[in-house]
Amino acid sequence: RKEVEQDPGPFNVPEGATVAFNCTYSNSASQSFFWYRQDCRKEPKLLMSVYSSGNEDGRFTAQLNRASQYISLLIRDSKLSDSATYLCVGSGAGSYQLTFGKGTKLSVIP
Amino acid sequence: DADVTQTPRNRITKTGKRIMLECSQTKGHDRMYWYRQDPGLGLRLIYYSFDVKDINKGEISDGYSVSRQAQAKFSLSLESAIPNQTALYFCATSADSTYEQYFGPGTRLTVT
Repeated sequence: RKEVEQDPGPFNVPEGATVAFNCTYSNSASQSFFWYRQDCRKEPKLLMSVYSSGNEDGRFTAQLNRASQYISLLIRDSKLSDSATYLCVGSGAGSYQLTFGKGTKLSVIP
Repeated sequence: DADVTQTPRNRITKTGKRIMLECSQTKGHDRMYWYRQDPGLGLRLIYYSFDVKDINKGEISDGYSVSRQAQAKFSLSLESAIPNQTALYFCATSADSTYEQYFGPGTRLTVT
C-alpha cells in the first residue's frame, strides 16, 4: 500500500471558488507533513508545512487529523495562477526521508 | 541565482551509455537527495546523503550510483543507461534537523 495517497483529480473549479484536497497516510509514526506545489514540468516547491493542529497562510489552510491519518488543503478564492499539481508529503519515522503522494491536479478556469 | 542548480537540463542518450547528472547548491545544506519522477508514479527517492561521508540508498537505487564531491555537490550516475530510466530527475537539499526539502529545476533524461 502506498504510504501517502491522494485523489489525482483533475479538479476543475471556477475562479473565486473554494476547493479542498484530502490526503491519507499509512505511517502512523510520521511526524511532519507538507503540501508542495508543482507546475507542469517544473520542480516541486514547498507550499506549506503542516504540524500538529495545522496552519493558515493567506488563502491556504492546511489541517492535520492524526486520529484519522489524513491531512487536507483548503484553497479559498481560487486564482488562475493556482492551477498546478499539489503534492501531499509525509515524513518517515525517525528519518529525514520524505514520502510523496502522486499529486492532485487543479485547474482553475475563468 | 537559483539556490539549487542541475546540469544538464535536458539530455538524450543511447542505451548502454554512461551518463552523469550534476547538482550544486548554495543553500549551505548538508543533506542532499536524488529523485526521479515518472508519470503516474510520483517522486521516488534514488539516493540520499546526509554529509560528504554519508551515502544511503533510497527506494530505487539499482542501476544508479552517486558521488558527494563536496558539501555543495552531489552527482548521480547511470552506469549503463536503459530506456526505462527515461524520466525527470530532481536533486533536493535540506538543512540538518528539518524535513523541508528544496528542489533543483530538474533534468529531463531520455534514453533511446
